[in-house]
Amino acid sequence: QQPVQSPQAVILREGEDAVINCSSSKALYSVHWYRQKHGEAPVFLMILLKGGEQKGHDKISASFNEKKQQSSLYLTASQLSYSGTYFCGTEWKDAGNMLTFGGGTRLMVKP
Amino acid sequence: DTGVSQDPRHKITKRGQNVTFRCDPISEHNRLYWYRQTLGQGPEFLTYFQNEAQLEKSRLLSDRFSAERPKGSFSTLEIQRTEQGDSAMYLCASSRTGRSSPQYFGPGTRLTVL
Repeated sequence: QQPVQSPQAVILREGEDAVINCSSSKALYSVHWYRQKHGEAPVFLMILLKGGEQKGHDKISASFNEKKQQSSLYLTASQLSYSGTYFCGTEWKDAGNMLTFGGGTRLMVKP
Repeated sequence: DTGVSQDPRHKITKRGQNVTFRCDPISEHNRLYWYRQTLGQGPEFLTYFQNEAQLEKSRLLSDRFSAERPKGSFSTLEIQRTEQGDSAMYLCASSRTGRSSPQYFGPGTRLTVL
């Protein structure tokens, strides 16, 4: 019952925008977004707690639609440093603090 | 804030041997989590502690796996009678108490079972 992420992979040119989606089959309490570069640990980006909440820093933002059990990550004016694999981690309403991660979205930003 | 540390970073072992990994969380974090990640997949939850109490364990986790956090600080994950299918990256994360606190990951221990 892991969340489904789409697309699985995306290639961008520097300056282009991308959207990564995360859908859950179970009711969500929160959604956590991480970026992982090859051979490194996942790095925390942001957490969304309330339905409809949007958060962001720099040119990366995210939204959370509690009713649809979905979250989207928006990367605008992408930079080379944005390359990596993005994971959403979902915290279910009827579970404790464990996160269930999606399969990831591989993002490559080219010059 | 020195971050989450894990030791060793790499471990190669033969099938049937026991291995133990260590995780030192961020000092003010009460919660500690263990995850396993295989190539091309997201981290998979194994177990988590609040202070020294193990509060949750994945139902899919074999009984060959055991974790401890005896004094509520560092934690160890032991795998007994390793199998080739145990080869993976073992990640530790820590967070403050409170639902939906961000989890911060360590660099991981890469286990290879020959």
